[in-house]
Amino acid sequence: KAGVTQTPRYLIKTRGQQVTLSCSPISGHRSVSWYQQTPGQGLQFLFEYFSETQRNKGNFPGRFSGRQFSNSRSEMNVSTLELGDSALYLCASREEDPGSYNSPLHFGNGTRLTVT
Amino acid sequence: KNEVEQSPQNLTAQEGEFITINCSYSVGISALHWLQQHPGGGIVSLFMLSSGKKKHGRLIATINIQEKHSSLHITASHPRDSAVYICAAHGNQFYFGTGTSLTVIP
Repeated sequence: KAGVTQTPRYLIKTRGQQVTLSCSPISGHRSVSWYQQTPGQGLQFLFEYFSETQRNKGNFPGRFSGRQFSNSRSEMNVSTLELGDSALYLCASREEDPGSYNSPLHFGNGTRLTVT
Repeated sequence: KNEVEQSPQNLTAQEGEFITINCSYSVGISALHWLQQHPGGGIVSLFMLSSGKKKHGRLIATINIQEKHSSLHITASHPRDSAVYICAAHGNQFYFGTGTSLTVIP
């Protein structure tokens, strides 16, 4: 099976712009979650989607949003970019067996966003 | 307030040494994940635990639910184990430790 695919790999934007990042999960995985990684704050959870519904959300402002499509692919959008949004954005997919909420995370290679 | 505390932050070991990385959490969890990240590389899931102990090759992970503590052990460490190890507590969301940067010297 192909792994988790994130596009684009690198992105440069200016303050005030918006950006959309894409994540294609492993085939059969219905859960997709998004994370921000910075040298100062480490890994932080943004949100998780399961079967097109946002299931959990981290402590990020409303400028950060996401969605999931019927094929489980997910997009993350950041509006009104700030310099502090420069980070590596990672997504991960999980295969959830019926009746089991827990399963390992499979990460993509991330999108490196630079805001200037 | 940090929901997940990980120690040590940095660790240097000689090849062959036994290594322990600790993780304490303060939230209710359904599972505890151990992740590995190589420099410039992606993140790989090593273990997912909800109780007891798991072993994969030279890696062992344990969790004590009552004490809200987990440990990752590496037996007979090797330079290729050099990486950042991150624990993640899966409660109502994912909470991450700050990571342990491990360097194994030949």
